[in-house]
Amino acid sequence: QKEVEQNSGPLSVPEGAIASLNCTYSDRGSQSFFWYRQYSGKSPELIMFIYSNGDKEDGRFTAQLNKASQYVSLLIRDSQPSDSATYLCAVRSSSASKIIFGSGTRLSIRP
Amino acid sequence: DGGITQSPKYLFRKEGQNVTLSCEQNLNHDAMYWYRQDPGQGLRLIYYSQIVNDFQKGDIAEGYSVSREKKESFPLTVTSAQKNPTAFYLCASSVTVIGNQPQHFGDGTRLSIL
Repeated sequence: QKEVEQNSGPLSVPEGAIASLNCTYSDRGSQSFFWYRQYSGKSPELIMFIYSNGDKEDGRFTAQLNKASQYVSLLIRDSQPSDSATYLCAVRSSSASKIIFGSGTRLSIRP
Repeated sequence: DGGITQSPKYLFRKEGQNVTLSCEQNLNHDAMYWYRQDPGQGLRLIYYSQIVNDFQKGDIAEGYSVSREKKESFPLTVTSAQKNPTAFYLCASSVTVIGNQPQHFGDGTRLSIL
């Protein structure tokens, strides 16, 4: 079992709809969870982080964390073509010295 | 402007050659990291450093070496022992290694074999 798992996609969503990206992790003691956006050929850019169970909203982005189910998700409301990118889920392990990255979900917003 | 600067943007390595990738940050972060990303893959940790003059191996350290003589700088050398070096190399930093601090990335160096 991979430490951080994401569906590789591509996930195709119509413009203006809600895109839902999911991530599961295996280390039950994980404390910090991050979402990065990576455009093709570019480096990852931090867009959200969440530490506590529940929802955290920032503009069109909402991160949701459920530690009991070991599940973290990212919702993107009013999806725009500029949201088309690969989204990387990252989890800080309970040993705290490493962040483990998932392989990413490719999101495509169709006009 | 605070940030992480990686150079060069593109690098070509000949057979048997060692090459060094530069990473400099002016964010006053203690922790720095090197990752490798292959096409369609996630990030794999090569080395990380919590503090000056200290560094730890990550998951794929074989064929690579690093130094941390200054807080701002964490160069990565890809040695001739690394037989498949073609990849996108990313340097990152965070305030500290522990705690809830996120990592921030430089723009990356793309390394290819000639």
